[in-house]
Amino acid sequence: EAQVTQNPRYLITVTGKKLTVTCSQNMNHEYMSWYRQDPGLGLRQIYYSMNVEVTDKGDVPEGYKVSRKEKRNFPLILESPSPNQTSLYFCASSLVPGNEQYFGPGTRLTVT
Amino acid sequence: QKEVEQNSGPLSVPEGAIASLNCTYSDRGSQSFFWYRQYSGKSPELIMFIYSNGDKEDGRFTAQLNKASQYVSLLIRDSQPSDSATYLCAVIGIQGAQKLVFGQGTRLTINP
Repeated sequence: EAQVTQNPRYLITVTGKKLTVTCSQNMNHEYMSWYRQDPGLGLRQIYYSMNVEVTDKGDVPEGYKVSRKEKRNFPLILESPSPNQTSLYFCASSLVPGNEQYFGPGTRLTVT
Repeated sequence: QKEVEQNSGPLSVPEGAIASLNCTYSDRGSQSFFWYRQYSGKSPELIMFIYSNGDKEDGRFTAQLNKASQYVSLLIRDSQPSDSATYLCAVIGIQGAQKLVFGQGTRLTINP
């Protein structure tokens, strides 16, 4: 089954404790992206990747890191999480940027 | 001005009626336009995309694009309670060819 998976689905952590949210797709897509969704603000892009070892900032990259060492994986790293990073996070992938994006199930992160 | 704007709603429509969702965008060079549906607590799923001026129909859904007015809409005919969801308009522009920009979404409720 073609899909985008994310782990964990739910995470409660404390300020400053490094965490990684994994994202993996099995569709051989070149383009992958991370979004955060907040009430009233919609989906905002954090980082995207055009291919292996090619990443770039989206609209709200501060406080986040990403890497793309393999085509299928695109982890999101929060080196020192803060409460303002409490949000619902989605990973997405598409064959190329202008095509339909397939979204993962989401990760609900709470930073206290 | 936001890059992509939607009426946040909520929009309430009786069952069987036509639901009309609207979206405007600021980048005149935008090329690709998408409508996603998001049920509460779920990830967005693509329901329509449109690239050319005019109408595009898919079952009960019709997307309409007017590039001169920088306006894209989604019509849902014969609305069903299962259509109750938040609808997200998304645009890819020339300046941000790799970036999919979302509106804040319109919450639609179909009343039986």
